[in-house]
Amino acid sequence: QKEVEQNSGPLSVPEGAIASLNCTYSDRGSQSFFWYRQYSGKSPELIMSIYSNGDKEDGRFTAQLNKASQYVSLLIRDSQPSDSATYLCAVLTSGTYKYIFGTGTRLKVLA
Amino acid sequence: DGGITQSPKYLFRKEGQNVTLSCEQNLNHDAMYWYRQDPGQGLRLIYYSQIVNDFQKGDIAEGYSVSREKKESFPLTVTSAQKNPTAFYLCASSIDSRPPSTQYFGPGTRLTVL
Repeated sequence: QKEVEQNSGPLSVPEGAIASLNCTYSDRGSQSFFWYRQYSGKSPELIMSIYSNGDKEDGRFTAQLNKASQYVSLLIRDSQPSDSATYLCAVLTSGTYKYIFGTGTRLKVLA
Repeated sequence: DGGITQSPKYLFRKEGQNVTLSCEQNLNHDAMYWYRQDPGQGLRLIYYSQIVNDFQKGDIAEGYSVSREKKESFPLTVTSAQKNPTAFYLCASSIDSRPPSTQYFGPGTRLTVL
């Protein structure tokens, strides 16, 4: 069973701080990795995608991928109360090409 | 505007009824997916379709059925055989199912059994 693991949180950070969200995955052949943000009662929206080892930056968001350690992370700089949401890590698995989602990390940014 | 639409937003089902959830996309995507989300849990794959007239069972297909007669449409029927259907249902699509394809979601349908 291919799995994606996330700490459920809540992760609480003060406004303006860096929030660090982590995800591990079991399918070593996976090639595509995604972070989604989901507000309560809403559908997930794509924040970042990453395919190569290293860092990828987009505004206040940085995704980090380490395929050797099977680890993906998302950093949110200058966290804002509007960033308070559940962040889902998703992996496009090899073979059947299904997306596997983690259970999400709930982030609270305290004003 | 390109996107994915789901209807209805809220749906109530009586015991023993079949109900159909609509999903339409105008993104010209080949692949479409149905997920179920329960409170505090991740997304679980019900069915997916990589091309018109073809679909595969996901991890929790029992009690559900789908069709893919048109590229833009992937309706999900929740049958009376699904014993615990109350959940948030999400439809998604991607240009295809091969890496690095990104998946996008519709707004969801919240189904409640009365």
